[in-house]
Order: sequence, then C-alpha cells, then structure tokens
Amino acid sequence: DSGVTQTPKHLITATGQRVTLRCSPRSGDLSVYWYQQSLDQGLQFLIQYYNGEERAKGNILERFSAQQFPDLHSELNLSSLELGDSALYFCASSAQTGDRVLEQFFGPGTRLTVL
Amino acid sequence: AQSVTQLGSHVSVSEGALVLLRCNYSSSVPPYLFWYVQYPNQGLQLLLKYTSAATLVKGINGFEAEFKKSETSFHLTKPSAHMSDAAEYFCAVTASKIIFGSGTRLSIRP
Repeated sequence: DSGVTQTPKHLITATGQRVTLRCSPRSGDLSVYWYQQSLDQGLQFLIQYYNGEERAKGNILERFSAQQFPDLHSELNLSSLELGDSALYFCASSAQTGDRVLEQFFGPGTRLTVL
Repeated sequence: AQSVTQLGSHVSVSEGALVLLRCNYSSSVPPYLFWYVQYPNQGLQLLLKYTSAATLVKGINGFEAEFKKSETSFHLTKPSAHMSDAAEYFCAVTASKIIFGSGTRLSIRP
C-alpha cells in the first residue's frame, strides 16, 4: 500500500460526458501528479500541483483540468469525453525539497472507459 | 534538459536466468534515477533509487542497478529471474521534473 488513494476504481461513461477523478496523497506529501496510461501512448505525464499551485504541465488536453485543494487532495476533471480518453489514470504524490523531485508514490489508478 | 531511453520494449528470459533491463539517461544536472515496476492492473511501485550516494543500488525483490556516469547508464539487473518478476519496468530521471522511459515488459519463460 503506497498510501495514495484514488476514487473511483472504475468509471464507465459515454462520449461527451464529464467526469471527476479524485486523489488523496500520502500524509505529508505536498506534490501531486496526474498521469494517463494507455496501450498506444504509454505513461503520459499530465500535470503537477505543489501545495495548491500548478507546478508543471505535461501533455494535458484543454478539455482536462485539475486542482489541488487546501487539504492537499486533488481532482482531475475530464470533459467532452472522447473514445480515445479511455485509459488508466494514475495519481502520484511525492515530497519535494526545493526544485528536486524525489521518488513518487503511485495510487492504484482509475480505469476510465468511454463508450 | 532530461531524457530517458529504455532499450527493448520487451525482454524475455528463462526462469533462473539473468535479468538485464537497460536504461540510458541524459541530464544537465546531476541526476536522481529510479526504477519502478508495474504489475498488471496496478500502479507503479518504486523498485530502487539512486540519489548520488553509492553507485550500486540494491532494491526490493533482489534487483539492483549500477549508476555509471561515464556511460550515462542505470541498468537494472537480477541474477536469477523468478516467474513473479513478470511485469512492466520503468526507468525515470528527475531534476526539477520527473521523466519516465517508455517501459520494458519483462516476460519469464518456465
């Protein structure tokens, strides 16, 4: 058990819909990362938050957005869903001192299926 | 700038044979390097890490990796493969952000 929790575990929805994925980081970790993993594109970094503020952006679509709340949990919002958004979405957390990223601890993931 | 290259998207070895998964990196600053393992339908789990201390790093499940600055490599090895080692392995490098390699799927033949 990494200490990172994600809900829901599975999500099935239709094209055009909007969903919210939730992540609670390990106790004490200020950084939260979101990743998308699919068979054709592998593990893709989406976005990082550090103590409530956006820290880094990766290959995140404009239809996707995220935020980190004062209690440090984070949500990833996916809207106008397309079939190609079907994937595993992982959240990870880490401690971070200064500019150096330390090891990440991954949650179990949310499997999103868009029909 | 940082980058990671994992040579071989799929490696197959016999049970009991040596496991060698290759990782080369580039980094403009002294790197921190990691190996993660992902079992089917699970999240990534840290296997071992190099953070500028000993160059030979031992991890969980009998794996180890050696940091070679001259070769910009951080290859993962295990002397004797076990069926339970079948998984996807990711190498990663960090400075201000973390960069993951594309992963290597390890299969174990009985």
